[in-house]
Formats: sequence, C-alpha cells, structure tokens
Amino acid sequence: GQQVMQIPQYQHVQEGEDFTTYCNSSTTLSNIQWYKQRPGGHPVFLIQLVKSGEVKKQKRLTFQFGEAKKNSSLHITATQTTDVGTYFCAGLGGSNYKLTFGKGTLLTVNP
Amino acid sequence: DAGITQSPRYKITETGRQVTLMCHQTWSHSYMFWYRQDLGHGLRLIYYSAAADITDKGEVPDGYVVSRSKTENFPLTLESATRSQTSVYFCASSPTGNQPQHFGDGTRLSIL
Repeated sequence: GQQVMQIPQYQHVQEGEDFTTYCNSSTTLSNIQWYKQRPGGHPVFLIQLVKSGEVKKQKRLTFQFGEAKKNSSLHITATQTTDVGTYFCAGLGGSNYKLTFGKGTLLTVNP
Repeated sequence: DAGITQSPRYKITETGRQVTLMCHQTWSHSYMFWYRQDLGHGLRLIYYSAAADITDKGEVPDGYVVSRSKTENFPLTLESATRSQTSVYFCASSPTGNQPQHFGDGTRLSIL
C-alpha cells in the first residue's frame, strides 16, 4: 500500500532559526495536504498542494510539491514559539479517498 | 470550531467491554473518517464513509465497527475492547474525498 515517510521525527530549534520538514511518498500523489497539531490538540489543516512543482506561501511558511508529485516540504523561516507543534504531511493517491499521513515532525522552539 | 464534535472526550473502560465513540458534524459533509493516533505511528485510518450507508475499511479496521445511518453521525464501536486499542481517536469530515479534512477534538480512550 501507499506509504508516506516524513523526516525528521523531531526538531529542536532556537527561536529565530529556520525549520524544514520533508515528506516522501512511495507512489505518485494526486495532492498533498499539510496539517499542524498543537500539543494536546487536534490536527488543523494548513494547506493543500495539487500541481507538480507547486510552491505556496503563508507568511513565514513555504510549502513545495515536487515535480514528480512524490515529495513535499514545509519550510518555516525565523521560527517563533507559536510554531511549536507537530507538522504532518498527508498524501492522497489512487482511486480512493484515503489520506495517508506521515508520522509527523515534532517542532520545539527554545525562546 | 464547533462544526464537528466528538463524545466522550475521555473514557476509561475494561478489556472485553463494548464501547462506542460518537462523532457528529453540522456541515453536511459527505465524507467522514475515523483515525487513531499512537506515539510512533502518527495518524492511522480505521474506517471512512463516503455517504450515509456507505463505509469502507482503512489501514487498521480490525476490532472496530462503524455505521452511518445519517449523514451527520458516524459512530465507532469497539465490540470487545483490548488494551492495544488504548489510543486517542479522532473523527474528521470533508465535503468531498479529496478536500481538506476537519478534525474533532478527539477522544482519549484507556482500556485497563
């Protein structure tokens, strides 16, 4: 079945440093979605990428979808303490509508 | 937001008991999903539903039963709970199968 690998599993940064998490799928995806989960909370949708090579920005967050639609990344510039949480990628592929989530990257930020 | 609600928020039960987790959404979304979240495994899909009376298995369906008689409700039942089913359970919904999902606050289930 479809597998989505996400690295790193954990990342600790000093406030102001940049952060990147990477996602790789074993199969070509129709779209990829990114979610953020604060400690003790539920996943919250951030963005969806659909097109090959697509790049989208949300303030300090930059999302990329690879040319082959098998990988994606999330980059945060100048992290803030409010960025703390687990970031998940989730890939949609094939003819069904089952999202396959990566295991997530837990980001902690030292003020 | 209050569009999707899960109950109970916390539940403690014993092995062998039947327990039902409730999920209710007010958006009239066609698709609903049940996930479990465990350390080291991320979010894993248990079951999903494309519409009332249409359900399908996800990655980890064994030991779980779902039903969807009404669009707004998607209960998840553990027929005979086991300790390995101790987890945080999230319900989610989306308008169509390929659109972003909206998650409930989750149910933390402990099976002793």
